[in-house]
Amino acid sequence: GAGVSQSPSNKVTEKGKDVELRCDPISGHTALYWYRQSLGQGLEFLIYFQGNSAPDKSGLPSDRFSAERTGGSVSTLTIQRTQQEDSAVYLCASSLARTEETQYFGPGTRLLVL
Amino acid sequence: QKEVEQNSGPLSVPEGAIASLNCTYSDRGSQSFFWYRQYSGKSPELIMSIYSNGDKEDGRFTAQLNKASQYVSLLIRDSQPSDSATYLCAVGRGRGAQKLVFGQGTRLTINP
Repeated sequence: GAGVSQSPSNKVTEKGKDVELRCDPISGHTALYWYRQSLGQGLEFLIYFQGNSAPDKSGLPSDRFSAERTGGSVSTLTIQRTQQEDSAVYLCASSLARTEETQYFGPGTRLLVL
Repeated sequence: QKEVEQNSGPLSVPEGAIASLNCTYSDRGSQSFFWYRQYSGKSPELIMSIYSNGDKEDGRFTAQLNKASQYVSLLIRDSQPSDSATYLCAVGRGRGAQKLVFGQGTRLTINP
């Protein structure tokens, strides 16, 4: 079946502009995660959604970052007033949220803030 | 101290040899441990998961977990050039839906 999809695949924006990144999880997956990966670094957790529970926002680096998940499926990560340090690959993952389960990653959105 | 630490490498191994990748973690309450492989410019893909002390084998891959010493390792037997990638260690506190803490990754090169 289809995997996790993300759009756009690449985004170039100017400092100070807002951007929206979209994630479409695997059908039936109830948990959805956002991570980001800066050049040459490991993945940094941002936020995750699990069913109807309140999202875990503990990894969001500042209040310029927000995310929502509509209808328990598609999620949008919004970065307001982008800064150059926001440049990174933003990865979305989804999972079935069972015990001992796997997070499956999408192809990522490569964001460059000029 | 970083929560999850890996040697960044690069680790260079001849084709056919055993590649050994190591990872240590600081949170004693961790229960879930994962190895992901990431090819350059691609997203991570799961290689192995392990939850109990000891060894877990899957084909050419063996994951080893020692909770007392807080380390997890990945052995790749009969290394192939296609195994050349960055290997990411990830750790979670629970066993279900949860945030994972990733190490910085070890870059592995298999030389023909």
